[in-house]
Amino acid sequence: GENVEQHPSTLSVQEGDSAVIKCTYSDSASNYFPWYKQELGKRPQLIIDIRSNVGEKKDQRIAVTLNKTAKHFSLHITETQPEDSAVYFCAGRSTDSWGKLQFGAGTQVVVTP
Amino acid sequence: DADVTQTPRNRITKTGKRIMLECSQTKGHDRMYWYRQDPGLGLRLIYYSFDVKDINKGEISDGYSVSRQAQAKFSLSLESAIPNQTALYFCATSDAGRADTQYFGPGTRLTVL
Repeated sequence: GENVEQHPSTLSVQEGDSAVIKCTYSDSASNYFPWYKQELGKRPQLIIDIRSNVGEKKDQRIAVTLNKTAKHFSLHITETQPEDSAVYFCAGRSTDSWGKLQFGAGTQVVVTP
Repeated sequence: DADVTQTPRNRITKTGKRIMLECSQTKGHDRMYWYRQDPGLGLRLIYYSFDVKDINKGEISDGYSVSRQAQAKFSLSLESAIPNQTALYFCATSDAGRADTQYFGPGTRLTVL
């Protein structure tokens, strides 16, 4: 099955700086990689996703890149703001597990003023 | 997302007790999932159901059972609770026609003494 590793486990950035979270996956057949954001005391919510047929996707200040050869993908947050403080989870889904996601362990991002 | 609800939101119980966590959704989604969240371990899949007659074990199903009473309802049971089942439990749903985005409920914080 799929195994997803996520780094770092915690990330402290100054407001306005960029944050990068990296994930690696084990199953070369995986084709869908979402990122979820979980604010303190809240439920995880999808913020961006990428499929294996593209290398990069952007949505305002967030972007995700995918390197299929190296089997890793990254979340980039630019011009960080205090409301970006949260736990971020990456996930991967294999083609043989339609609907099932394997989540990374999460990254606690703290944006300091 | 108000369309996925969980009851109870918080529960304290004692070792050996049977407990049921309930999940309801008004999204009309076919697929439902139960996850467990522990610090540093991310979201781990306990059980998932792709329709009322289809229930499958996830990666950590031991000690848990589920019931899909209807398309909109998916319950998680701990037959004999133990302290290491203390965790935050999330229900999630997704649309079979577009089984990508998973929508999470607000979570149930369970403490087993």
